[in-house]
Amino acid sequence: GEDVEQSLFLSVREGDSSVINCTYTDSSSTYLYWYKQEPGAGLQLLTYIFSNMDMKQDQRLTVLLNKKDKHLSLRIADTQTGDSAIYFCAEGDNTDKLIFGTGTRLQVFP
Amino acid sequence: NAGVMQNPRHLVRRRGQEARLRCSPMKGHSHVYWYRQLPEEGLKFMVYLQKENIIDESGMPKERFSAEFPKEGPSILRIQQVVRGDSAAYFCASSPGGGGPNEQFFGPGTRLTVL
Repeated sequence: GEDVEQSLFLSVREGDSSVINCTYTDSSSTYLYWYKQEPGAGLQLLTYIFSNMDMKQDQRLTVLLNKKDKHLSLRIADTQTGDSAIYFCAEGDNTDKLIFGTGTRLQVFP
Repeated sequence: NAGVMQNPRHLVRRRGQEARLRCSPMKGHSHVYWYRQLPEEGLKFMVYLQKENIIDESGMPKERFSAEFPKEGPSILRIQQVVRGDSAAYFCASSPGGGGPNEQFFGPGTRLTVL
């Protein structure tokens, strides 16, 4: 079955790097995504990675994909207080629904 | 280019009433998805629609829930005879379709409270 898991909380100091981890089960997923949700708001797409890639970098964001272990991570460099939010990973193919993880609440403290 | 619009943002209903949630996709997007988020949980897929067609409703409860995306106008998620367990945030997303990554753009959500 489809299942995406994440740790619930992460707390980091401002300026440090944050690493949010995700494991998934559907090996047929074509793309994997990272979304950010701020309080009371909808989800904002941060980045995605195609399943045949190992890494993708986009400014402060680095996505690592270990397809063998079905493990995905999002690294945020130089974490700022504005990065405090809930981060969701999601898996999907190119046409249909996204399967979301449970979300990781990132708290950044000064 | 306006983003995905949802209304109302907040909806309060008493048990047994009907709830109608509306979603206007981004301009040029023909694919609409509805998700439900229970408190402190992730989003769960409900239904995927294209204009006048339901493509995948595998996440929709069998009873009381229905969705449509007419040729003209917004997509509607309808919940009949609401119960307390329907209280949640309902998010709509749209995408342009076609090949490649399924970049879904989300609306701000409708927060339904059932008293």
